[in-house]
Amino acid sequence: KQEVTQIPAALSVPEGENLVLNCSFTDSAIYNLQWFRQDPGKGLTSLLLIQSSQREQTSGRLNASLDKSSGRSTLYIAASQPGDSATYLCAVRGSQGNLIFGKGTKLSVKP
Amino acid sequence: NAGVTQTPKFQVLKTGQSMTLQCAQDMNHEYMSWYRQDPGMGLRLIHYSVGAGITDQGEVPNGYNVSRSTTEDFPLRLLSAAPSQTSVYFCASTDSSTDTQYFGPGTRLTVL
Repeated sequence: KQEVTQIPAALSVPEGENLVLNCSFTDSAIYNLQWFRQDPGKGLTSLLLIQSSQREQTSGRLNASLDKSSGRSTLYIAASQPGDSATYLCAVRGSQGNLIFGKGTKLSVKP
Repeated sequence: NAGVTQTPKFQVLKTGQSMTLQCAQDMNHEYMSWYRQDPGMGLRLIHYSVGAGITDQGEVPNGYNVSRSTTEDFPLRLLSAAPSQTSVYFCASTDSSTDTQYFGPGTRLTVL
């Protein structure tokens, strides 16, 4: 059974720092991996999707990498801002098309 | 496009009551799904549908029913609410051309 783990569970950084969020999964046979952002009391917003054949994806200050063989993905946030404060969720797509989620990393960026 | 919409936003039920959580999308996506989000558990799949007339169970289907009569709508029915069903429920649809999932704003359900 696929399991997704995110470390750390919470992270607090000063504004301007570069940071890395980690995601690991137990079964390397994935279709893709997706990173989401969730603000308190809100739904999930897709940030980046990496297909299983890709190594990384970039959007603005965000860069996500995927290493299928080691079962790992990282989300790199450059020059963090207070507006980046949110919970970041990693999810891998299973064979049925459903997503299997990690429990998230709660990020707080202090001004 | 309105994207994925969910109603109601909040609901309080008594144990044993039934209700339907509504979900609709206007993006013509075939794949739709329902998740519940609980503290410390993350999001878990309840039911999903690959198209009108086709539904299947996810990880935690007990106590819930779904139907998919149209591409746009995917309601989730609680047959006899229990306190263990207190949760935040999210509906999602998938753009099959990009595999990107789009989530609704959620329904916060409390069962007393």
